[in-house]
Amino acid sequence: QSALTQPPSASGSPGQSVTISCTGTSSDVGGYNYVSWYQQHPGKAPKLVIYEVNKRPSGVPDRFSGSKSGNTASLTVSGLQAEDEADYYCSTYAGSDNVLFGGGTELTVL
Amino acid sequence: QMQLVESGGGVVQPGGSLRLSCVASGFTFSTYGMHWVRQAPGKGLQWVAFIWYDGNKKYYADSVKGRFTISRDNSKNTLYLQMNSLRTEDTALYYCAKDLPRSGYYFDFWGQGTLVTVSS
Repeated sequence: QSALTQPPSASGSPGQSVTISCTGTSSDVGGYNYVSWYQQHPGKAPKLVIYEVNKRPSGVPDRFSGSKSGNTASLTVSGLQAEDEADYYCSTYAGSDNVLFGGGTELTVL
Repeated sequence: QMQLVESGGGVVQPGGSLRLSCVASGFTFSTYGMHWVRQAPGKGLQWVAFIWYDGNKKYYADSVKGRFTISRDNSKNTLYLQMNSLRTEDTALYYCAKDLPRSGYYFDFWGQGTLVTVSS
């Protein structure tokens, strides 16, 4: 199965909102409400920021939100801060005991 | 606090083998499913394998099926990945990751990774 499709880059100014998309198929993103998002700073391990499409783990700011429509999931970061600059990856259960990741999006805070 | 510490990475020739370990602390290891996820240098994340909390079920990515084996020893709070018939495309930083309860598809907490380089 192919990786999920994310834009390679996204950007926004401090205080603005930015949305990152993650497109799959009806067999993965569209078929299950098991989408998650991960933040990875350079040289660091990834960190879970959204699971089950729109749930935030304890400790993740409410500036991070998730949604899904059809075969596309989205991560929105509101009130951008310098510390939000990182790579972001989406992931989903894809059936047949398989998990897929997106190719990653590099978020730049201008 | 929660910790996952991977070890066992190194340089190996194509066709060779390595066994990675991941020692867990700060949580009840025996009650959580665990994953291995890898990241090739400068590339994205790729899920490798998952094992149930009790070791009774194991799932693999197609790219490693038949070559890699995930296992765990709950008495030692340790997760393993036995990697055989290694290929150059297996070169990556290998992370172990804890799952959320009753899941199988989330990566709730990650170790810092251990680097595997397959090269002649």
